[in-house]
Amino acid sequence: QSVLTQPPSVSAAPGQKVTISCSGSSSNIGNNYVSWYQQLPGTAPKLLIYENNKRPSGIPDRFSGSKSGTSATLGITGLQTGDEADYYCGTWDNSLSAEWVFGGGTKLTVL
Amino acid sequence: QVQLVQSGAEVKKPGASVKVSCKASGYTFTNYAMHWVRQAPGQRLEWMGWINAANGNTKYSQKFQGRVTITRDTSASTAYMELSSLRSEDTAVYYCARYRYVSSSSGGSPFFDYWGQGTLVTVSS
Repeated sequence: QSVLTQPPSVSAAPGQKVTISCSGSSSNIGNNYVSWYQQLPGTAPKLLIYENNKRPSGIPDRFSGSKSGTSATLGITGLQTGDEADYYCGTWDNSLSAEWVFGGGTKLTVL
Repeated sequence: QVQLVQSGAEVKKPGASVKVSCKASGYTFTNYAMHWVRQAPGQRLEWMGWINAANGNTKYSQKFQGRVTITRDTSASTAYMELSSLRSEDTAVYYCARYRYVSSSSGGSPFFDYWGQGTLVTVSS
């Protein structure tokens, strides 16, 4: 069971918008920045969003991030079939022994 | 360009140990920490621990404490992850990931900006 909770799956049609939530607590999201990673089938994860809402160079502005309290959200607009992937949120957890935690992952299906 | 190149797939018997390497290039190795993350088949990403590449200090997940050892060879710009007492549940793809910590007005922003290609470790009798 993950410390950060994500919906197992989301789906939407090409061109539509989708949001993926990541729910945590005051020991992780509530007091730390969140990053998001995209994992295309059979590949390594790739940084998508850092510092809650910043995009690395090369990531299109169709991808956005936000954080409020102990939850974070990844938004994807103008969905493309190439966006079909697993998406993970991550941050530090300051409880116990300070460990990095990931969400359970959300599989995005572009119908 | 930054690259993290990992060693090849391994097949091990239960009880054995495995050592995976991660060779870094395109940046100054000692300027960034290296983390290790694993992913069992069809499962989520799972953080294992990290090493300060400059001084060799390490921190491990409580789940793997006592079984995992992360080291580095600065002359080779390579980080290593060794996992001992392997069991079938350790069958997974193991990734190294470069850790960035960007200072900001509200404190530091941590994230993993580059990942290795992954190393499949299969534990089977």
